[in-house]
Amino acid sequence: KNEVEQSPQNLTAQEGEFITINCSYSVGISALHWLQQHPGGGIVSLFMLSSGKKKHGRLIATINIQEKHSSLHITASHPRDSAVYICAVGGNQFYFGTGTSLTVIP
Amino acid sequence: DTEVTQTPKHLVMGMTNKKSLKCEQHMGHRAMYWYKQKAKKPPELMFVYSYEKLSINESVPSRFSPECPNSSLLNLHLHALQPEDSALYLCASSQDPSNNEQFFGPGTRLTVL
Repeated sequence: KNEVEQSPQNLTAQEGEFITINCSYSVGISALHWLQQHPGGGIVSLFMLSSGKKKHGRLIATINIQEKHSSLHITASHPRDSAVYICAVGGNQFYFGTGTSLTVIP
Repeated sequence: DTEVTQTPKHLVMGMTNKKSLKCEQHMGHRAMYWYKQKAKKPPELMFVYSYEKLSINESVPSRFSPECPNSSLLNLHLHALQPEDSALYLCASSQDPSNNEQFFGPGTRLTVL
């Protein structure tokens, strides 16, 4: 069993749709990260959070420490949001989820 | 400057070649990391340097040789690689090993022929 599980694995949405990606983890952590990776590209850190909620533009990330669960929401999705979104958690070690591949169709 | 830079962006090498990947950060971070990422897989940790000393080697073959000449620079020396070593090599840094906010570089896309 992976320490970090993401769902869904793949997601296709129409432009403008509200998108949610979920992450559950089983280890103790000090912080959870949401990362974005475009095809063939490097990784960009979107959020690091240890409690509550953070918002940046059309992106919102929430975390529930008690339930060991986080969600990444994208409002008014756009084709340029198409990428792989990776949840990663850090405690004594850094664990990556397997990623969610998002395709937003115009 | 909140950037991790990596050079080259792309590298093609033969199995007998010797090459190096370079990673640089000027954020004053004292922990630096090498990851290997195969297509459609999450990154896999290879090495961690903490205060310029190698602190973690995740059983990486000796054909990969890391080096940390100073606190801003991290190299990965490559020799006698195999085609299965073709991957995206990512560098990251964090303030120190206990701080989990890792900043990632754009990666080097390596192809071994």
